[in-house]
Amino acid sequence: GENVEQHPSTLSVQEGDSAVIKCTYSDSASNYFPWYKQELGKGPQLIIDIRSNVGEKKDQRIAVTLNKTAKHFSLHITETQPEDSAVYFCAASKAGTALIFGKGTTLSVSS
Amino acid sequence: DAGITQSPRYKITETGRQVTLMCHQTWSHSYMFWYRQDLGHGLRLIYYSAAADITDKGEVPDGYVVSRSKTENFPLTLESATRSQTSVYFCASSTGYSNQPQHFGDGTRLSIL
Repeated sequence: GENVEQHPSTLSVQEGDSAVIKCTYSDSASNYFPWYKQELGKGPQLIIDIRSNVGEKKDQRIAVTLNKTAKHFSLHITETQPEDSAVYFCAASKAGTALIFGKGTTLSVSS
Repeated sequence: DAGITQSPRYKITETGRQVTLMCHQTWSHSYMFWYRQDLGHGLRLIYYSAAADITDKGEVPDGYVVSRSKTENFPLTLESATRSQTSVYFCASSTGYSNQPQHFGDGTRLSIL
Protein backbone atom coordinates (compact mmCIF):
# COMPACT_ATOMS: atom_id res chain seq x y z
CA GLY A 1 0.00 0.00 0.00
CA GLU A 2 0.85 3.66 -0.07
CA ASN A 3 3.55 5.02 2.21
CA VAL A 4 4.15 8.74 2.75
CA GLU A 5 7.35 10.04 4.26
CA GLN A 6 7.64 13.64 5.41
CA HIS A 7 10.78 15.69 6.12
CA PRO A 8 11.94 17.41 8.17
CA SER A 9 10.15 16.47 11.38
CA THR A 10 10.96 19.88 12.87
CA LEU A 11 11.79 23.17 11.17
CA SER A 12 12.74 26.47 12.76
CA VAL A 13 12.88 29.67 10.72
CA GLN A 14 13.09 33.39 11.34
CA GLU A 15 10.10 35.56 10.59
CA GLY A 16 10.19 36.60 6.96
CA ASP A 17 12.18 33.57 5.80
CA SER A 18 10.79 30.83 3.59
CA ALA A 19 9.96 27.32 4.80
CA VAL A 20 9.89 24.17 2.70
CA ILE A 21 8.47 20.81 3.75
CA LYS A 22 8.88 17.79 1.50
CA CYS A 23 6.93 14.55 1.20
CA THR A 24 7.64 11.47 -0.83
CA TYR A 25 5.10 8.81 -1.72
CA SER A 26 5.47 5.24 -2.87
CA ASP A 27 2.41 4.54 -5.06
CA SER A 28 2.83 6.06 -8.50
CA ALA A 29 -0.95 5.84 -9.00
CA SER A 30 -1.61 8.36 -6.20
CA ASN A 31 -3.16 11.48 -7.67
CA TYR A 32 -4.41 13.67 -4.81
CA PHE A 33 -2.07 15.46 -2.40
CA PRO A 34 -3.50 17.70 0.34
CA TRP A 35 -1.66 19.65 3.01
CA TYR A 36 -3.09 20.25 6.47
CA LYS A 37 -2.14 22.70 9.20
CA GLN A 38 -2.78 21.77 12.81
CA GLU A 39 -2.60 24.41 15.50
CA LEU A 40 -2.26 23.50 19.16
CA GLY A 41 -5.47 22.01 20.54
CA LYS A 42 -7.19 22.07 17.15
CA GLY A 43 -7.93 19.61 14.40
CA PRO A 44 -6.05 19.58 11.08
CA GLN A 45 -7.28 22.20 8.62
CA LEU A 46 -6.83 21.89 4.87
CA ILE A 47 -4.63 24.71 3.59
CA ILE A 48 -3.96 23.65 0.01
CA ASP A 49 -4.22 20.58 -2.19
CA ILE A 50 -2.98 19.55 -5.62
CA ARG A 51 -3.97 16.89 -8.11
CA SER A 52 -1.64 15.00 -10.38
CA ASN A 53 -2.66 16.85 -13.52
CA VAL A 54 -1.12 20.04 -12.09
CA GLY A 55 2.55 20.70 -11.33
CA GLU A 56 2.18 23.69 -9.04
CA LYS A 57 -0.54 25.54 -7.17
CA LYS A 58 -0.34 28.80 -5.24
CA ASP A 59 -2.53 30.53 -2.71
CA GLN A 60 -1.05 33.81 -1.47
CA ARG A 61 2.06 32.89 0.56
CA ILE A 62 1.55 29.16 0.22
CA ALA A 63 2.46 26.99 -2.76
CA VAL A 64 2.66 23.29 -3.43
CA THR A 65 4.76 21.66 -6.13
CA LEU A 66 4.44 18.12 -7.42
CA ASN A 67 7.08 16.03 -9.17
CA LYS A 68 5.34 12.87 -10.37
CA THR A 69 8.48 11.36 -11.83
CA ALA A 70 10.34 11.55 -8.54
CA LYS A 71 7.16 10.91 -6.54
CA HIS A 72 7.51 13.85 -4.24
CA PHE A 73 5.59 17.00 -3.44
CA SER A 74 6.53 20.00 -1.37
CA LEU A 75 4.88 22.79 0.60
CA HIS A 76 6.47 26.22 0.29
CA ILE A 77 5.60 29.03 2.68
CA THR A 78 7.08 32.43 1.87
CA GLU A 79 7.45 35.45 4.15
CA THR A 80 6.73 33.34 7.21
CA GLN A 81 4.91 34.88 10.16
CA PRO A 82 4.62 33.73 13.79
CA GLU A 83 1.05 32.60 13.13
CA ASP A 84 2.42 30.08 10.63
CA SER A 85 3.84 28.14 13.60
CA ALA A 86 1.97 24.82 13.68
CA VAL A 87 2.26 21.16 12.73
CA TYR A 88 1.89 20.52 9.00
CA PHE A 89 0.80 17.20 7.53
CA CYS A 90 0.97 16.02 3.96
CA ALA A 91 -1.18 13.20 2.63
CA ALA A 92 -1.68 11.18 -0.54
CA SER A 93 -4.43 9.07 -2.04
CA LYS A 94 -5.77 7.60 -5.25
CA ALA A 95 -9.29 6.64 -6.25
CA GLY A 96 -10.65 3.96 -3.94
CA THR A 97 -8.05 4.35 -1.21
CA ALA A 98 -8.00 6.24 2.04
CA LEU A 99 -5.82 9.27 2.61
CA ILE A 100 -2.40 8.25 3.94
CA PHE A 101 -0.79 10.92 6.09
CA GLY A 102 2.84 11.76 6.70
CA LYS A 103 4.00 11.94 10.31
CA GLY A 104 4.01 15.72 10.40
CA THR A 105 6.44 18.65 10.55
CA THR A 106 6.50 21.04 13.48
CA LEU A 107 7.23 24.52 12.09
CA SER A 108 8.39 27.21 14.50
CA VAL A 109 8.63 30.80 13.28
CA SER A 110 10.49 33.11 15.62
CA SER A 111 10.18 36.88 15.49
CA ASP B 1 -22.82 27.32 12.37
CA ALA B 2 -21.89 24.66 9.84
CA GLY B 3 -19.08 22.43 10.96
CA ILE B 4 -18.05 19.29 12.70
CA THR B 5 -18.30 18.96 16.46
CA GLN B 6 -16.70 16.39 18.71
CA SER B 7 -17.60 15.65 22.31
CA PRO B 8 -16.31 15.41 24.89
CA ARG B 9 -13.11 17.38 24.30
CA TYR B 10 -11.37 15.60 27.17
CA LYS B 11 -12.08 12.28 28.81
CA ILE B 12 -10.35 10.26 31.51
CA THR B 13 -11.46 6.72 32.16
CA GLU B 14 -10.17 3.41 33.48
CA THR B 15 -9.13 0.25 31.72
CA GLY B 16 -12.02 -2.08 30.99
CA ARG B 17 -14.64 0.66 30.86
CA GLN B 18 -16.75 1.41 27.84
CA VAL B 19 -16.46 4.91 26.44
CA THR B 20 -18.18 6.57 23.49
CA LEU B 21 -16.85 9.53 21.57
CA MET B 22 -19.38 11.60 19.67
CA CYS B 23 -19.11 13.29 16.30
CA HIS B 24 -21.70 15.50 14.64
CA GLN B 25 -21.48 17.29 11.27
CA THR B 26 -23.80 19.81 9.72
CA TRP B 27 -22.55 19.72 6.11
CA SER B 28 -24.58 16.65 5.12
CA HIS B 29 -21.36 15.03 3.91
CA SER B 30 -21.89 11.39 3.05
CA TYR B 31 -18.48 10.23 4.29
CA MET B 32 -17.28 10.35 7.87
CA PHE B 33 -14.01 9.14 9.35
CA TRP B 34 -12.40 8.41 12.69
CA TYR B 35 -8.65 8.83 13.17
CA ARG B 36 -6.33 8.51 16.09
CA GLN B 37 -3.25 10.70 16.43
CA ASP B 38 -0.23 9.46 18.31
CA LEU B 39 3.30 10.82 18.53
CA GLY B 40 5.45 9.20 15.89
CA HIS B 41 2.50 7.80 13.96
CA GLY B 42 0.68 10.80 12.56
CA LEU B 43 -2.99 10.23 11.76
CA ARG B 44 -4.21 6.68 11.38
CA LEU B 45 -7.67 5.72 10.13
CA ILE B 46 -9.76 3.62 12.53
CA TYR B 47 -13.12 3.36 10.75
CA TYR B 48 -15.04 5.21 8.10
CA SER B 49 -18.61 5.39 6.88
CA ALA B 50 -19.92 6.00 3.38
CA ALA B 51 -23.53 6.66 4.42
CA ALA B 52 -26.02 5.82 7.13
CA ASP B 53 -25.71 2.14 8.09
CA ILE B 54 -22.59 1.65 5.92
CA THR B 55 -19.30 1.40 7.79
CA ASP B 56 -15.93 -0.21 7.13
CA LYS B 57 -12.60 -0.77 8.82
CA GLY B 58 -9.55 1.40 8.39
CA GLU B 59 -5.92 0.73 9.26
CA VAL B 60 -6.32 0.24 13.05
CA PRO B 61 -9.89 -0.95 13.85
CA ASP B 62 -9.21 -3.46 16.65
CA GLY B 63 -10.92 -2.59 19.92
CA TYR B 64 -13.28 -0.05 18.37
CA VAL B 65 -16.92 -0.15 17.27
CA VAL B 66 -18.79 2.42 15.18
CA SER B 67 -22.35 2.99 14.10
CA ARG B 68 -24.09 5.47 11.87
CA SER B 69 -27.86 5.51 12.20
CA LYS B 70 -28.11 9.13 11.03
CA THR B 71 -26.05 10.85 8.35
CA GLU B 72 -24.92 13.61 10.69
CA ASN B 73 -23.68 11.44 13.58
CA PHE B 74 -20.83 8.96 13.74
CA PRO B 75 -20.06 7.76 17.28
CA LEU B 76 -16.95 5.76 18.12
CA THR B 77 -17.11 3.27 21.01
CA LEU B 78 -14.28 1.62 22.88
CA GLU B 79 -16.05 -1.39 24.33
CA SER B 80 -13.36 -2.27 26.88
CA ALA B 81 -10.76 0.48 27.01
CA THR B 82 -7.06 -0.36 27.20
CA ARG B 83 -4.09 1.89 27.99
CA SER B 84 -2.87 1.55 24.40
CA GLN B 85 -6.00 3.40 23.30
CA THR B 86 -4.88 6.55 25.09
CA SER B 87 -4.70 9.01 22.21
CA VAL B 88 -6.23 12.05 20.57
CA TYR B 89 -9.18 11.08 18.39
CA PHE B 90 -10.30 13.10 15.39
CA CYS B 91 -13.49 12.85 13.42
CA ALA B 92 -13.64 14.10 9.85
CA SER B 93 -16.20 14.36 7.08
CA SER B 94 -15.99 14.62 3.30
CA THR B 95 -17.95 14.34 0.11
CA GLY B 96 -15.85 11.33 -0.91
CA TYR B 97 -13.75 8.46 0.42
CA SER B 98 -10.63 9.46 -1.45
CA ASN B 99 -9.35 12.40 -3.48
CA GLN B 100 -11.59 14.89 -1.69
CA PRO B 101 -10.81 17.37 1.10
CA GLN B 102 -11.61 16.18 4.59
CA HIS B 103 -12.88 18.52 7.29
CA PHE B 104 -11.77 17.73 10.82
CA GLY B 105 -13.22 18.36 14.24
CA ASP B 106 -11.08 19.66 17.09
CA GLY B 107 -10.55 16.23 18.61
CA THR B 108 -11.13 14.35 21.84
CA ARG B 109 -8.14 13.79 24.12
CA LEU B 110 -8.73 10.41 25.77
CA SER B 111 -6.66 9.15 28.69
CA ILE B 112 -7.09 5.60 29.96
CA LEU B 113 -5.63 4.91 33.37
